[in-house]
Amino acid sequence: TQLLEQSPQFLSIQEGENLTVYCNSSSVFSSLQWYRQEPGEGPVLLVTVVTGGEVKKLKRLTFQFGDARKDSSLHITAAQPGDTGLYLCAGVGSGGGADGLTFGKGTHLIIQP
Amino acid sequence: DVKVTQSSRYLVKRTGEKVFLECVQDMDHENMFWYRQDPGLGLRLIYFSYDVKMKEKGDIPEGYSVSREKKERFSLILESASTNQTSMYLCASSPKPDRPQHFGDGTRLSIL
Repeated sequence: TQLLEQSPQFLSIQEGENLTVYCNSSSVFSSLQWYRQEPGEGPVLLVTVVTGGEVKKLKRLTFQFGDARKDSSLHITAAQPGDTGLYLCAGVGSGGGADGLTFGKGTHLIIQP
Repeated sequence: DVKVTQSSRYLVKRTGEKVFLECVQDMDHENMFWYRQDPGLGLRLIYFSYDVKMKEKGDIPEGYSVSREKKERFSLILESASTNQTSMYLCASSPKPDRPQHFGDGTRLSIL
């Protein structure tokens, strides 16, 4: 069974600060997806990383896939209250997703004005 | 944009009732999924379907069944609802199993 561990579980910081959240596994994933879920809504895809070492940027959000494709990180620069939400990572296993995605339990992020 | 629509945002049912949760997607996606989301446990896959009339068990199928009679519709059925099935239920669809999933806004189900 492939597992994805996300850390920290909860994070509350002030507006303007920088932060990094992590998604780690002992298993190799062919790709990894990051989602954000706001209260009362379903998760929405932010980005997919596919290649080991890949870095993708989405405005103030920077996503990195580990060289060995076992881990990923999300760095937010100058966090804004609109970044508040639950951040989920989800991995596609070596079976090409035949058994569905493997989701981490998420990081609850609160950005205080 | 892909639209995944779940029939109810909030639902309250009684123990022992048969409960139907409906999900419809409008992008002709082959794959559809049902999850439940609980604090501290994350998203857990209940059932998924790769094609009409096909279904596969996920990680926690006990107490649930599904139906996919049409490509756009995937129904989750609680055969005899119990209080431990109180949860947020999320439906999702994707064009291929390894592609990102598009989620509905969820149904918050309470079993009394």
